[in-house]
Amino acid sequence: AAGVIQSPRHLIKEKRETATLKCYPIPRHDTVYWYQQGPGQDPQFLISFYEKMQSDKGSIPDRFSAQQFSDYHSELNMSSLELGDSALYFCASSPTGSPGDTQYFGPGTRLTVL
Amino acid sequence: AQKVTQAQTEISVVEKEDVTLDCVYETRDTTYYLFWYKQPPSGELVFLIRRNSFDEQNEISGRYSWNFQKSTSSFNFTITASQVVDSAVYFCALSEVIQGAQKLVFGQGTRLTINP
Repeated sequence: AAGVIQSPRHLIKEKRETATLKCYPIPRHDTVYWYQQGPGQDPQFLISFYEKMQSDKGSIPDRFSAQQFSDYHSELNMSSLELGDSALYFCASSPTGSPGDTQYFGPGTRLTVL
Repeated sequence: AQKVTQAQTEISVVEKEDVTLDCVYETRDTTYYLFWYKQPPSGELVFLIRRNSFDEQNEISGRYSWNFQKSTSSFNFTITASQVVDSAVYFCALSEVIQGAQKLVFGQGTRLTINP
């Protein structure tokens, strides 16, 4: 079965650079979520989109922005990168975004900021 | 706010032993959903189970079983006859609905090591 696709899988950036992470949800899933997982920590919700509209926002820095496109893929844009942004970034998708929908996670993008 | 607590930070057992991972949650919602995810060393998050607040039946899937008790706000996960491949970090999560959207609130995770 098709899964969530994330690219790139690994990314190395310098401080103050920008990064763009991409997410392709499972086919026919219209809801996308982004989570950040720091080393040794649990995943923290950043932002979600339902039918190309932002549906919720968590502890996402103002330096980060995201959007969902007409084909339902999503991109997380990160600017003025800081050392503390080094983390594993997960994208998840669910069929409808309804309460109780199971979120299926992609393999993650490991971002390292030097 | 909703909260999930996994008090066991790390557990180490010998292969073939049974092991239970604890999960306690807090919520004011009457309708909520609980999940378990597995994160193996490769890093991905693998969905294991979903349970809604109205269904207190225990569930068994092969060597895995889950015990949901609303009275104690717990959703514990047991692995029977553990195997080395079960070594991973396991996360319990609670579905929190805000303004119609849904986000997952995760516990801190339990790192399970199965020794041969």
